[in-house]
Amino acid sequence: DIVLKQSPATLSLSPGDTATLSCGASQSLSSKYLAWYQHKPGLAPRLLIFQTSTRATGIPDRFSGSGSGTDFTLTISRLEPEDFAVYYCQQYGRSPTYTFGQGTKLEIK
Amino acid sequence: QVHLVQSGAEVKKPGSSVKVSCKTSGGTFTTYAINWVRRAPGQGLEWVGGIIPLFGMPNYAQQFQGRVTITADESATTVYMELSSLRSEDTAMFYCARGPDVPTHYDTNGFPYFFHYWGQGTLVTVSS
Repeated sequence: DIVLKQSPATLSLSPGDTATLSCGASQSLSSKYLAWYQHKPGLAPRLLIFQTSTRATGIPDRFSGSGSGTDFTLTISRLEPEDFAVYYCQQYGRSPTYTFGQGTKLEIK
Repeated sequence: QVHLVQSGAEVKKPGSSVKVSCKTSGGTFTTYAINWVRRAPGQGLEWVGGIIPLFGMPNYAQQFQGRVTITADESATTVYMELSSLRSEDTAMFYCARGPDVPTHYDTNGFPYFFHYWGQGTLVTVSS
């Protein structure tokens, strides 16, 4: 099974900064199978990005995804106070199987 | 608009079982897979398994095989997840989740590549 490793585990930034979150896969995967979620305490996870770079409905263009092969990135520009949360990458594998990274906590500096 | 509404919090003894429900509305029930995702305290998200109600054949994550049973009731448009032989490490928030409405984002078996719609979560606490 493909393992996803996210870095950093914690990212401390200020509103207005740009956050760069990384997701590394243990094997090359199709860009079609990589998604990103935002998770806040007490709420359900929220789909941000699918197919590596396509924003979900209603997601502001401050959120962007990129990457290919084994290296994927979520970039959040002009951080807003509501952006501070935990972010997960997720990959789909055949059978099916779904694997999430361990998460990156984006906290206010 | 698709809505997933889960049953309420549960407190269970070690060794017992828990059954959590996920009622769907606002979309076609039978052809879209409903999946279950777990988040234990201090841990990340973890896929438990899923089912396409039309086929009734569930898929389970390997680490839950033998302990989890996922079923669907078409008349109630509800999917159930039962986890048995509970231990303290099973204390977690459980979410049901469904893929998008666009068919191109699904594999040939009918499972989505990602999860668009989520239930509100059900806290399962395992404690003696």
